[in-house]
Amino acid sequence: QSALTQPRSVSGSPGQSVTISCTGTSSDVGSYDYVSWHQQHPGKAPKVIIYDVTKRPSGVPDRFSGSKSGNTASLTISGLQAEDEADYYCCSYGGWYTLIFGGGTKLTVL
Amino acid sequence: QVQLVQSGAEVKKPGASVKVSCKASGYTFTNNHMHWVRQAPGQGLEWVGVINPSGGGTKYAQRFQGRVTMTRDTSTSTVYMDLSSLRSEDTAVYYCARGRENRLDYWGQGTLVTVSS
Repeated sequence: QSALTQPRSVSGSPGQSVTISCTGTSSDVGSYDYVSWHQQHPGKAPKVIIYDVTKRPSGVPDRFSGSKSGNTASLTISGLQAEDEADYYCCSYGGWYTLIFGGGTKLTVL
Repeated sequence: QVQLVQSGAEVKKPGASVKVSCKASGYTFTNNHMHWVRQAPGQGLEWVGVINPSGGGTKYAQRFQGRVTMTRDTSTSTVYMDLSSLRSEDTAVYYCARGRENRLDYWGQGTLVTVSS
């Protein structure tokens, strides 16, 4: 199984919106509604911000939203804030108890 | 509250083995799978494998087959990941993460494993 494809970097100004894509195949992203997004600040452990494509864990601001179309999932962050600057990883269930991660996207808040 | 507390950093020589532990608390240990994920310096996340603490069944990523062994101790709510025949490319932070319905919901703090002669 190959890693999911994400852009290496995206950027936006405070208050703007950015979208990060995550492209897989019909065997992973396209087959299951088990796509999650994980935020990682430098030197810290990842944290789940979106699961099951669109759901947010308790405590995650509603500025973060997820969607999926075919083999591509997306994370949108609206009303960008300085603290959103981090690395973002998508993750999909790959069947048979396996998980597949994307290569990660570095978000820069200008 | 769910907590996953991992063992401390390790330095190993090439060819050696390392065993990393992850102690769970705040929930019923046998109700959730436990995954291991690693992150090489400056790189992305890579899934290593998963263990079912209830029965001990495991599933490993193909590239680690034959080198990784995951075990658990239900008496102490601890899972272990043993990686053998270490090489420099195995230098990474290793995370345990709790599974829930085909996804991850909580992460451990990570354990740095350095492989160096």
